[in-house]
Amino acid sequence: SQQGEEDPQALSIQEGENATMNCSYKTSINNLQWYRQNSGRGLVHLILIRSNEREKHSGRLRVTLDTSKKSSSLLITASRAADTASYFCATDERGGADGLTFGKGTHLIIQP
Amino acid sequence: DTAVSQTPKYLVTQMGNDKSIKCEQNLGHDTMYWYKQDSKKFLKIMFSYNNKELIINETVPNRFSPKSPDKAHLNLHINSLELGDSAVYFCASSQVRGEAFFGQGTRLTVV
Repeated sequence: SQQGEEDPQALSIQEGENATMNCSYKTSINNLQWYRQNSGRGLVHLILIRSNEREKHSGRLRVTLDTSKKSSSLLITASRAADTASYFCATDERGGADGLTFGKGTHLIIQP
Repeated sequence: DTAVSQTPKYLVTQMGNDKSIKCEQNLGHDTMYWYKQDSKKFLKIMFSYNNKELIINETVPNRFSPKSPDKAHLNLHINSLELGDSAVYFCASSQVRGEAFFGQGTRLTVV
């Protein structure tokens, strides 16, 4: 069953601006992960946040997790044209089988 | 060195044929997976497999079968291909509950 829902489905911003994407999920989780997919390519892992963590940073990325609201956000600061891609959240469900449940993704376009 | 590699990258075949997609990982991970990405980019897990257990998503037709000759390989066999099987198939690997590393995908087109 589908777990995550990303919001917005598509986002277009100017280079240099910040981009925020949100993800909601339905079940208890062990961790939540964000992935990037460039057109026609595989998925690249960006960041993993555990259920007992509230915020995590990696370079220009900041991820938050609110387990009470079952939601997460991904912030990309100072966006670059190369950040143009689809971004997916994925959850590792507690008590579930090994493997990730993905949301529908946010397509991010950075205008130069 | 490519961490997770799958072949072929593109596969065009006729309905009713049987085909295989190969996957290899050189990361020493215990668990490998197959995911399907449909035309709307929605990703869904098909199988997860480690040396102890194969877990099959209940929605996957039994025409699909994973075969693992060893810990580093998980191949996907598809029998009697149907038009609806057209999609991009991704192999991935991870340690338990860790980040997943994905292959570049195999775009399967059934005509």
